[in-house]
Amino acid sequence: EAGVAQSPRYKIIEKRQSVAFWCNPISGHATLYWYQQILGQGPKLLIQFQNNGVVDDSQLPKDRFSAERLKGVDSTLKIQPAKLEDSAVYLCASSSLYRPIRGDYNEQFFGPGTRLTVL
Amino acid sequence: ELKVEQNPLFLSMQEGKNYTIYCNYSTTSDRLYWYRQDPGKSLESLFVLLSNGAVKQEGRLMASLDTKARLSTLHITAAVHDLSATYFCAVNAPGNQFYFGTGTSLTVIP
Repeated sequence: EAGVAQSPRYKIIEKRQSVAFWCNPISGHATLYWYQQILGQGPKLLIQFQNNGVVDDSQLPKDRFSAERLKGVDSTLKIQPAKLEDSAVYLCASSSLYRPIRGDYNEQFFGPGTRLTVL
Repeated sequence: ELKVEQNPLFLSMQEGKNYTIYCNYSTTSDRLYWYRQDPGKSLESLFVLLSNGAVKQEGRLMASLDTKARLSTLHITAAVHDLSATYFCAVNAPGNQFYFGTGTSLTVIP
């Protein structure tokens, strides 16, 4: 079974430029997550999709970040314009369940991540 | 916002020793996950704990969950160098969001 794919793996841009990341989840997984992991910190959820609908984007800086998941499969995360503090690894994860029932659990599968450096 | 705290943040231990990593969280949840992350790599799932008193073991790692105390522990027995990595706990909130801890960077010294 193919895992979660992300591209590019690395990106270096200057501040105020735009950048986009792509994620292809595991086939059949309805839930897709985008996380931001700043060096030395744990992943922070930016946005969660259920199929092509947004479930939670409360921590997404909407003035500069946007994300979409057309047709409920692939997803793109965009930053426009980028700031120095956006330097981080952007992780995509997917899972097959939305709301696990009692006794069940929601296993996330993570992609390799995209390392963004903003100069 | 749900808070998840881990301690210690950094842990340096000698091979063969035992130690425990602690994970405290601020709201009710009955699903607690532990992940491992090697430098420059993505996250690898280690354990999922689903109920109060749950205990899972894999090799030299054992995880437990106390939902009443909102505490999970990851115990390392007789550490070996291969266990050197960063370990994260994560809480699955009622809306199915995941909140991650700050991470514990473990270095096992020969």
